[in-house]
Amino acid sequence: EIVLTQSPGTLSLSPGERATLSCRASQSVSSNKLAWYQQKPGQAPRLLIYGASSRATGIPDRFSGSGSGTDFTLTISRLEPEDFAVYSCQQYGSSPSTFGQGTKVEIK
Amino acid sequence: QVQLVQSGAEVKKPGASVKVSCKTSGYTFTSFGVSWVRQAPGQGLEWMGWISGYNGDTNYAQKVQDRVTMTTDTSTSTAYIEVRSLTSDDTAVYYCVRDPRVIGGPNYFDPWGQGTLVIVSS
Repeated sequence: EIVLTQSPGTLSLSPGERATLSCRASQSVSSNKLAWYQQKPGQAPRLLIYGASSRATGIPDRFSGSGSGTDFTLTISRLEPEDFAVYSCQQYGSSPSTFGQGTKVEIK
Repeated sequence: QVQLVQSGAEVKKPGASVKVSCKTSGYTFTSFGVSWVRQAPGQGLEWMGWISGYNGDTNYAQKVQDRVTMTTDTSTSTAYIEVRSLTSDDTAVYYCVRDPRVIGGPNYFDPWGQGTLVIVSS
């Protein structure tokens, strides 16, 4: 199965700053079938990005995804107070679908 | 709007079984699949399997395939997951998620149910 490694584990930033989150796959992700989710404490995850770079419905354009093959990035251009959360990547190009362990974006 | 509403929390003893339901609304159930994802306390997300809302085909993660059964009831647009021979390692929040793939899932997941906490403890 494909192992996804996210870095850093924790990102300490201030509102208004840019966040860059990495997701690296142990082998190439088929057709760039890579998604990103946001999860806040006590809540279910929410889809942000699918197909590596397509924003889900209703997701602000400060969120963007990029990358291909084994290296993917989620960028939040300017952090808003509501963006402090845990972000997880998921590959669905091959079965079993797998998730990264998550990156926590916390207020500095 | 699309909604997935799950059954309530469960406490089970080791060796028992649990069945969690996921009632969907706001979309055509037979045009999508449903996946199940769990999250152990303080841990990451783990995909458990997918079921087609169209024909009931399933695709289980190898780790759980011997102990898990996923089913659907198209008359009520409800999906179910049953986990047997529970151990403490099965303690987690279980989420049902709508999956765009009606054939050959899984895919990405949107939206998610609210989650069902299953605690396995003697």
